[in-house]
Amino acid sequence: DQQVKQNSPSLSVQEGRISILNCDYTNSMFDYFLWYKKYPAEGPTFLISISSIKDKNEDGRFTVFLNKSAKHLSLHIVPSQPGDSAVYFCAAISGNTPLVFGKGTRLSVIA
Amino acid sequence: NAGVTQTPKFRVLKTGQSMTLLCAQDMNHEYMYWYRQDPGMGLRLIHYSVGEGTTAKGEVPDGYNVSRLKKQNFLLGLESAAPSQTSVYFCASRRTSGGAFSYNEQFFGPGTRLTVL
Repeated sequence: DQQVKQNSPSLSVQEGRISILNCDYTNSMFDYFLWYKKYPAEGPTFLISISSIKDKNEDGRFTVFLNKSAKHLSLHIVPSQPGDSAVYFCAAISGNTPLVFGKGTRLSVIA
Repeated sequence: NAGVTQTPKFRVLKTGQSMTLLCAQDMNHEYMYWYRQDPGMGLRLIHYSVGEGTTAKGEVPDGYNVSRLKKQNFLLGLESAAPSQTSVYFCASRRTSGGAFSYNEQFFGPGTRLTVL
């Protein structure tokens, strides 16, 4: 049973437009959520996170929104750049248990 | 700081052969993890460790063993490799979190691409 779901395997966006990546979760005990970015032939790198006591966290072009009642979070990238083309993983955690990852969404930003 | 390093970067094995993947971190992190990434499957946790001398099973532990004899190293072993273990393996580490609603970032190594024929 998948606790963290990324239902869109891929997404294409024009350069300069907004990219919105979505993630749903089922475990109401999750208290922290993260997004990781992965380029080919590299390990994932941390991008942005949000605590379950907040509903928004912003870092430059990246904003994560959390809707606890819907058990949904989203990552907004504005404006999108070709260098943002990568696989994005949503992850969640409860306490000190291991991170639970979604299957990832491949973002392609077209120049 | 080198961060998290993995050895080797690539390896080809024949079915039934054994090997050990080495992960090393120089950040004095307590927690270490081994994941595998397969197409369309995301990152799946194999085993993890919450400190030197401790190990625990993750989501897909069968066919793998691990050891954490030193805090900075986490070894992943395949005793008898199978084609189903063809994958990219990632090691990660992080510090213990400060408390509720906080989390310390997990750092990943560059990965080991393993092919089992």
